[in-house]
Amino acid sequence: EPEVTQTPSHQVTQMGQEVILRCVPISNHLYFYWYRQILGQKVEFLVSFYNNEISEKSEIFDDQFSVERPDGSNFTLKIRSTKLEDSAMYFCASNDDRMGYEQYFGPGTRLTVT
Amino acid sequence: GIQVEQSPPDLILQEGANSTLRCNFSDSVNNLQWFHQNPWGQLINLFYIPSGTKQNGRLSATTVATERYSLLYISSSQTTDSGVYFCAVDGGATNKLIFGTGTLLAVQP
Repeated sequence: EPEVTQTPSHQVTQMGQEVILRCVPISNHLYFYWYRQILGQKVEFLVSFYNNEISEKSEIFDDQFSVERPDGSNFTLKIRSTKLEDSAMYFCASNDDRMGYEQYFGPGTRLTVT
Repeated sequence: GIQVEQSPPDLILQEGANSTLRCNFSDSVNNLQWFHQNPWGQLINLFYIPSGTKQNGRLSATTVATERYSLLYISSSQTTDSGVYFCAVDGGATNKLIFGTGTLLAVQP
């Protein structure tokens, strides 16, 4: 069964450093998402991406964040200058239609900023 | 925006017991999903159920869209069922998922 994959599974970085989290969505999917979960809290939407552009973003997704689909398979989230409060689990998801279709989640990347 | 509330917030069960988790949402939705977050933090997709009833082994779910709630049933619970259960819905006019605060389930042997 196709699945969403994410790398790395865990990343430790120092405050102020740039990080890139990588995702490979399911191959025939059209919509891609990033979500974030701070430890002990609920999962929060960050950004959605369709047709090579951002379709929606949350208030959390400020200028420090960017997303890119550099080739036909990868979908990346970049944090330019990490802060302590960026420590969280980051989930990538994808689905194959615009509205109301099941989203498939990757296993997550645990980001620790020290 | 749409509000998602889950109850109960915490639940402790003895192995073999049954339970019902509830998700209330404040507006009509196109998508509703139930997830189990395992001890490693992974979100395991249990059900995609914007309406109707589905069953998968010991788990089943029912969504009554007209009354804006969904129920997740766990029967004959096992210790491996422990973890956090999240309900998530789309925002109606948007396809982003909005998650509830979850139900923390602990199944004791």
